Amino acid sequence: GAGVSQSPRYKVAKRGQDVALRCDPISGHVSLFWYQQALGQGPEFLTYFQNEAQLDKSGLPSDRFFAERPEGSVSTLKIQRTQQEDSAVYLCASSLAMIFDRALYAEQYFGPGTRLTVT
Amino acid sequence: KNEVEQSPQNLTAQEGEFITINCSYSVGISALHWLQQHPGGGIVSLFMLSSGKKKHGRLIATINIQEKHSSLHITASHPRDSAVYICAVSRTNTGTASKLTFGTGTRLQVTL
Repeated sequence: GAGVSQSPRYKVAKRGQDVALRCDPISGHVSLFWYQQALGQGPEFLTYFQNEAQLDKSGLPSDRFFAERPEGSVSTLKIQRTQQEDSAVYLCASSLAMIFDRALYAEQYFGPGTRLTVT
Repeated sequence: KNEVEQSPQNLTAQEGEFITINCSYSVGISALHWLQQHPGGGIVSLFMLSSGKKKHGRLIATINIQEKHSSLHITASHPRDSAVYICAVSRTNTGTASKLTFGTGTRLQVTL
C-alpha cells in the first residue's frame, strides 16, 4: 500500500538499551512528524522535519531522544538508554504541504505506530 | 488546564443513536482536526476544518471559531464506529505551523 509504514510494530527493550524506530512516509510527502502517545492519553508532538531538515525538536523529552531524516524520506527516531517512562506508542505522520511561514496546512497521514515497552 | 479539552471521555450508545462529541480549545488555531483511532493504534484523519461545517457520509463536523468550540456528530451510529475520537488543533504563533496539539480523546462504544 501507499500509506505511512512504521517498524517495528512492537518493541520490548530492557531498561538501558538503545532502540531505533523507523518511519517510511508516503512518497513525496515533504513534512514528517513524530508523536508520542502514552497509554490513555492523546499523542504529543516530538519533532518535525521538512525534507531532511529538522525544523522543530521542541517536543523531544530529553537528550536521549534523537531523530534524523538524512535523505528527506525515511526517518529514524532513536532513544538511547531507555527508561520505563519511555514506554508509549510512537506515531509517525507525513503530509504533502511545505510550511511557508504559517500560511499552509495540510492533512496528516499517520502510520500504525510502534508500541515500545521498556521493562 | 489542557489546551484542548474533549467531552465526554467515554460514551456508550446503542446502534442507530445520534452521537455528539465536543471539543473546546483555548489557543489560537489555524485548523481543527478530528481523528479516529482504532485499537492497535492506527489513526485516520476524518476532518480538517477552519470554519463552518463539513460532512462525510454519516459524519458531520462543525466549528465555531468565536466560541473556540467544535463538535463531531455521528448519525445512525453502528458498532463499527466504535473507536477513540480525537480532536487536535494546528496552533498559530508556533514555529511549526501544522504540528498538532491533541485532546485526550473520547472512547466511543456502540452496542447492538
